[in-house]
Amino acid sequence: DAGVIQSPRHEVTEMGQEVTLRCKPISGHNSLFWYRQTMMRGLELLIYFNNNVPIDDSGMPEDRFSAKMPNASFSTLKIQPSEPRDSAVYFCASSLNGITGELFFGEGSRLTVL
Amino acid sequence: AQSVTQLGSHVSVSEGALVLLRCNYSSSVPPYLFWYVQYPNQGLQLLLKYTSAATLVKGINGFEAEFKKSETSFHLTKPSAHMSDAAEYFCAVSGDAGNMLTFGGGTRLMVKP
Repeated sequence: DAGVIQSPRHEVTEMGQEVTLRCKPISGHNSLFWYRQTMMRGLELLIYFNNNVPIDDSGMPEDRFSAKMPNASFSTLKIQPSEPRDSAVYFCASSLNGITGELFFGEGSRLTVL
Repeated sequence: AQSVTQLGSHVSVSEGALVLLRCNYSSSVPPYLFWYVQYPNQGLQLLLKYTSAATLVKGINGFEAEFKKSETSFHLTKPSAHMSDAAEYFCAVSGDAGNMLTFGGGTRLMVKP
């Protein structure tokens, strides 16, 4: 089975532009997580979906960030408008049993906002 | 609130030497504890997981970790380091924050030839 698939792997954009990151979780997994990783702040959980429903979005930095999961096989994380401080690696992860099970991570989307 | 502290953001060992990466946690309920490894330009992958069965947990690549409730610790060890073990290691806890998994700040392991 394919792992968690994220796209794009790299994105370079200018401040003010809209950015959309995409994630396809492992088939059959019922939980999906978006994390952000930076040198300064480490790994931060942005939002967590269970059965396509957002359970906790308290980690979403501000209204510029939004995430959707229209079906069990697809999720997006959107930043609009983007700012230089949003530069980071964004990881999507999925699991079969919420956070009591193993999280399977994608390879990440490296975002650079100029 | 649950939290994880990893002592030492960087650890350097010689090839063949013991690896010890420290993790202390806080949780008001019996926790689930995890160690993940991240190789350069990759996502995290699970090394091992503690779920209240045996206190000594064996993982992949020869790593193991021991849950010590009295010390609130879950240190990761490997008897003999290999060059391929060079990576960043993350300890994580879940339990008393709803369905949240909290990661430590990570420890970068360097292995010298």
